[in-house]
Amino acid sequence: EAGVVQSPRYKIIEKKQPVAFWCNPISGHNTLYWYRQNLGQGPELLIRYENEEAVDDSQLPKDRFSAERLKGVDSTLKIQPAELGDSAVYLCASSFFGVGSPGANVLTFGAGSRLTVL
Amino acid sequence: KNQVEQSPQSLIILEGKNCTLQCNYTVSPFSNLRWYKQDTGRGPVSLTIMTFSENTKSNGRYTATLDADTKQSSLHITASQLSDSASYICVVSAVNAGNMLTFGGGTRLMVKP
Repeated sequence: EAGVVQSPRYKIIEKKQPVAFWCNPISGHNTLYWYRQNLGQGPELLIRYENEEAVDDSQLPKDRFSAERLKGVDSTLKIQPAELGDSAVYLCASSFFGVGSPGANVLTFGAGSRLTVL
Repeated sequence: KNQVEQSPQSLIILEGKNCTLQCNYTVSPFSNLRWYKQDTGRGPVSLTIMTFSENTKSNGRYTATLDADTKQSSLHITASQLSDSASYICVVSAVNAGNMLTFGGGTRLMVKP
């Protein structure tokens, strides 16, 4: 199995430019997450989807960030326009969320997309 | 506010030595605690997951402990190898919080030959 696939792995852009990241989760996983991870820190949740519905986007800077999950499978995260402070690794993760079964709720992460804004 | 604190922030040990990483949390009500290993340039990979009733869980040379009373967990690495060099992240989940996870800042471990 390919696992969670993300692209691009690396992206370098100038500030004020747009950027988009793509994520293909593990087949059958109903929950998809986007996290941002700054150097030396733990991941911070940006948005969580259950199937097609964004159930937690409270930490997503909605003035410049947007996300969608197409048909409850793939997802894209967009930043427009990018700012210097957006430089980070953007991690996508997926899981099968089943109430009462913590073992089934283990997140599988992708390798991440490293964004550098100049 | 739910929080997860890890210590130390970074650690350097010699190959073959043991080490213990700490995780303290204030997440309530507690559901489960996971330890992830994150190699440089890669996403985190799950090592162990522990529920309220579990005190110890092993995965090869990794042993996680949980004290739900004191809200502390530790990850013990035995006979360290160079490939253990990575960040180790503690993640805690709360009951009835949907799928809300609280991440610690991680401990960066470097194993030197």
